[in-house]
Amino acid sequence: NAGVTQTPKFQVLKTGQSMTLQCAQDMNHEYMSWYRQDPGMGLRLIHYSVGAGITDQGEVPNGYNVSRSTTEDFPLRLLSAAPSQTSVYFCASSYSAGGLETQYFGPGTRLLVL
Amino acid sequence: AQSVAQPEDQVNVAEGNPLTVKCTYSVSGNPYLFWYVQYPNRGLQFLLKYITGDNLVKGSYGFEAEFNKSQTSFHLKKPSALVSDSALYFCAVRAPSGGSYIPTFGRGTSLIVHP
Repeated sequence: NAGVTQTPKFQVLKTGQSMTLQCAQDMNHEYMSWYRQDPGMGLRLIHYSVGAGITDQGEVPNGYNVSRSTTEDFPLRLLSAAPSQTSVYFCASSYSAGGLETQYFGPGTRLLVL
Repeated sequence: AQSVAQPEDQVNVAEGNPLTVKCTYSVSGNPYLFWYVQYPNRGLQFLLKYITGDNLVKGSYGFEAEFNKSQTSFHLKKPSALVSDSALYFCAVRAPSGGSYIPTFGRGTSLIVHP
């Protein structure tokens, strides 16, 4: 049982490049979400999904796309990277959207956009 | 709109002394309140939650938190701090189920426990 895994651990991009941050969980969780963590700002929700085929926007969705074709995977796509997207990105999953207490976080992806 | 305030960027305490990490919130209706801990280069780990019931909530690693509705606070406490408690602590709030699933996190408080 690997829990929540994220790849890559670290990535450097140039402005305008695109990339996909991968997130996978093997706990059969319905609810998955992406956060970004910036110094002094806590975590902010980017997008979330309450089940396969269902996604919705969080607090800071602009510049990011998501899809949920399977229960296990929830990739986050940066369409055209900008320096403002330099951050640490965390994926999380839980049994249900209402169960915040059961939310499991991945180890994070550090992204640097030059 | 819901919000969370963690007024201290850093809390310093000596090992063996009691510690308090402060959190105040604003939300419509009765709040769901949470504390998470983050160790360096790791994701967040759940510590404890308040949904309803007893105002004093006990969680992992000897931590507890007291819900105070009149002061809209949910301070994290521990009677005797350990050096290993040094980490970043986040308070989070969410409106009761039936509304948005979007939680709001505080900015985080760095707890430093000195030997």
